[in-house]
Amino acid sequence: EAGVAQSPRYKIIEKRQSVAFWCNPISGHATLYWYQQILGQGPKLLIQFQNNGVVDDSQLPKDRFSAERLKGVDSTLKIQPAKLEDSAVYLCASSLASWGYEPNTGELFFGEGSRLTVL
Amino acid sequence: RKEVEQDPGPFNVPEGATVAFNCTYSNSASQSFFWYRQDCRKEPKLLMSVYSSGNEDGRFTAQLNRASQYISLLIRDSKLSDSATYLCVVTFTGKLIFGQGTTLQVKP
Repeated sequence: EAGVAQSPRYKIIEKRQSVAFWCNPISGHATLYWYQQILGQGPKLLIQFQNNGVVDDSQLPKDRFSAERLKGVDSTLKIQPAKLEDSAVYLCASSLASWGYEPNTGELFFGEGSRLTVL
Repeated sequence: RKEVEQDPGPFNVPEGATVAFNCTYSNSASQSFFWYRQDCRKEPKLLMSVYSSGNEDGRFTAQLNRASQYISLLIRDSKLSDSATYLCVVTFTGKLIFGQGTTLQVKP
């Protein structure tokens, strides 16, 4: 079974430039997540979709970050303009469980991540 | 206060040692609990769920104390391949919240 696909794997940009990341979740997974992981820290949730609707975007810096999930499948995360502190790995994950479903197996399937360096 | 707190380590132990990691969470309404493992420059992967009754998977034992809002992971007979970062995860209203992780380095 194909896993979560992300691209690009690596991106280097200068501050104030823009960047976009793409994610293709596991087929049939209703919930899609974007996490930001800064070096030495745990993943921090940026946005959570269920199908093509946003469930939680409370920690998304909306002045510069945007995300969409068209047709409830692929998703893109955009940063414009980028700041130095945006340097991180952007992890996309998907899960079979729907939001709010309990018991939650807790199993998220992560992609390999997109590593962003902002100079 | 962070929602999920872990001692970042690193924990440096010899092969065969027993090592324990602790995690505390701030929201008493947290619903489910997990340990994830993340190898260097790789994505996190689910290691095991954590239940109030305690649960074991081979050399790994996880425990939950809801009254103290405390989760633990015990690794017995450490192997070199156990070297990784262990992430404590709690859920609340369908959202998974990760701790910063505890790094384990097992040495020959």
